[in-house]
Amino acid sequence: DIQMTQSPSSLSASVGDRVTITCRASQGISNSLAWYQQKPGKAPKLLLYGASRLESGVPSRFSGSGSGTDYTLTISSLQPEDFATYYCQQYYSTPYTFGQGTKLEIK
Amino acid sequence: EVQLVESGGGLVKPGGSLRLSCAASGFTFSSYSMNWVRQAPGKGLEWVSSISSSSSYIYYADSVEGRFTISRDNAKNSLYLQMNSLRAEDTAVYYCARGPSPAKYFDYWGQGTLVTVSS
Repeated sequence: DIQMTQSPSSLSASVGDRVTITCRASQGISNSLAWYQQKPGKAPKLLLYGASRLESGVPSRFSGSGSGTDYTLTISSLQPEDFATYYCQQYYSTPYTFGQGTKLEIK
Repeated sequence: EVQLVESGGGLVKPGGSLRLSCAASGFTFSSYSMNWVRQAPGKGLEWVSSISSSSSYIYYADSVEGRFTISRDNAKNSLYLQMNSLRAEDTAVYYCARGPSPAKYFDYWGQGTLVTVSS
C-alpha cells in the first residue's frame, strides 16, 4: 500500500498569510494526487487533482505542485473561509489512500 | 446540479448487517465510477470501495474485503453498500462519492450517513 504522510498535522495562521502543506508518498505516484478541504460536519470538497489542476469553481489562491513522491498545496492569501482541515489523496493505485490531514486554524 | 444522497445508516450490533444506499441525480450516473469513503469519529478519511461505471471493476479496502459488497443499479441511479459482519471499528460516517472515470479521485460527495456499531 502507498502511505501518504502530510505535514504539518496542524498549522496556525492569520488572514492574508501564505501557507504551504506538504504531502509525501511512500513511492512515486506520477502526479495522481488530489487535495480536499473539509469543514466540521461537512463532506470533503475537491480542490485540486492531477497534483496541480484546479477544480472548477475553486479560487485561484489555491495551487498545487510537485512530482514523484513530494507534493504541496499552497494557499497564497488565507481567507476566513479557508480555515478547515486539508487532506491529500493518492489515486495511483488501490487501495486509494489519504494523508492524515492538516488542520488549519486561525492564529 | 450534482446531488448524492446517502441513506440507511443507523445503530447496529456487532456481527450485524446494514445496507447503505446513495441516490444520485444531476448527472449521467451510468458514465461515472462510484465510491464509498468513510470517516470514523474525529479521524481522517478512509477509502472503502469503488465500482466502475458498468460494474466491471470492483475494488475493496483490505479492512472490508469479504464483509462488504458494493453494487449499483444504473437504471435507478443508485449505489449500494451491503455491510455484513460489522465490527466496532466500522463505526463511521460513510460518504458516497463520484469518481470521474478513468481517474480515481472524488469530485462530488454526499452529505454522509452515520453507521454506529455497538452493543
